[in-house]
Amino acid sequence: KAGVTQTPRYLIKTRGQQVTLSCSPISGHRSVSWYQQTPGQGLQFLFEYFSETQRNKGNFPGRFSGRQFSNSRSEMNVSTLELGDSALYLCASSLAENYEQYFGPGTRLTVT
Amino acid sequence: AQTVTQSQPEMSVQEAETVTLSCTYDTSESDYYLFWYKQPPSRQMILVIRQEAYKQQNATENRFSVNFQKAAKSFSLKISDSQLGDAAMYFCAYRSRDYGGSQGNLIFGKGTKLSVKP
Repeated sequence: KAGVTQTPRYLIKTRGQQVTLSCSPISGHRSVSWYQQTPGQGLQFLFEYFSETQRNKGNFPGRFSGRQFSNSRSEMNVSTLELGDSALYLCASSLAENYEQYFGPGTRLTVT
Repeated sequence: AQTVTQSQPEMSVQEAETVTLSCTYDTSESDYYLFWYKQPPSRQMILVIRQEAYKQQNATENRFSVNFQKAAKSFSLKISDSQLGDAAMYFCAYRSRDYGGSQGNLIFGKGTKLSVKP
């Protein structure tokens, strides 16, 4: 089975722009979660989607949003980028509630 | 709110030796999961081992085992016969066991960077 894939792997944007990151979960997995990883704050939860519904949201501003499609693929969007949004964005998929989360390789976003 | 603390920012072990990484957590919940994840320099986060709080038996996966002390809220990872490929950041993580249809988010510690010396 193919693992979790994330595209693009690397991205450079300038302040004020917006960006969309994509995540394709493991086949059959219906839950997708997003995390932001930075050297200062570590790994922080952004949001979780299950069957196209947002089930859980972390403490991030409204500039961060996401969605999930009927095929379980998920996208996250960050609008009005700030320098502090530079981070590794990790997507994780899970079969359902109370199952392990499997992570993708991440998207490295650099905001200049 | 739950918190996870890894008090060892860096650790080093000689190849073939055993090393133990520490993790403590704080929660008022009685039912939850604990995990150890490994993140090598390539950045792909890999699940190492999982422990369910209601199980008293410590989880084991090949060379990796945990010492789960629920009352002490301690969850350490022991790596036996360390190999060069074990060098990575290791994250301890907590997740509530939610019966309401939500996956629940992982709460991570800050990580321990493990170096393996040949």
